Amino acid sequence: DGGITQSPKYLFRKEGQNVTLSCEQNLNHDAMYWYRQDPGQGLRLIYYSQIVNDFQKGDIAEGYSVSREKKESFPLTVTSAQKNPTAFYLCASRASGVWHEQFFGPGTRLTVL
Amino acid sequence: DQQVKQNSPSLSVQEGRISILNCDYTNSMFDYFLWYKKYPAEGPTFLISISSIKDKNEDGRFTVFLNKSAKHLSLHIVPSQPGDSAVYFCAASEATSGTYKYIFGTGTRLKVLA
Repeated sequence: DGGITQSPKYLFRKEGQNVTLSCEQNLNHDAMYWYRQDPGQGLRLIYYSQIVNDFQKGDIAEGYSVSREKKESFPLTVTSAQKNPTAFYLCASRASGVWHEQFFGPGTRLTVL
Repeated sequence: DQQVKQNSPSLSVQEGRISILNCDYTNSMFDYFLWYKKYPAEGPTFLISISSIKDKNEDGRFTVFLNKSAKHLSLHIVPSQPGDSAVYFCAASEATSGTYKYIFGTGTRLKVLA
């Protein structure tokens, strides 16, 4: 049963702590993405990776970091430098080639107290 | 500067009638467009897409129309059902450039009234 998993569903952290959000896919997709959604707003791209060991900054990368050591995994670290980290975080993946849609995980709601 | 815009934050439609959701874009290099449906606290699910070589694509109750000259696309849902109530996002990509990057609109909340 292929898909994308994100864990945990809900995450609470104290201000000033780094936190890492997990994203795993078994779809054999090359490209993976991280988005952030805030209330009343669309999905804003944080980072994306087209292949293993390579990634690019999206529109709102400041305060975040990623790694892509394995094709299946694309973890996102929310650092203490991110000024407004409380948000709903979505991971997605996409097959190689031109006309392909993204598949999304269920999301992680991060709340920083 | 928002490259993909959904100017209607919400839309209410009676069950059985047509729902029309609109999306405008500014980047003429966009050549692949998608619609996603999203329920609260869940990830978006893919609905339908269209490439710039077409002006219409149908899939069951869902049809997407693309007007390249106006830089406008729309999603028609016929007939609308209560289960269609969700937030709908349009997204655009420069697919043939190989960037693999998608730009999303801010979404339209559709409410289908029984």
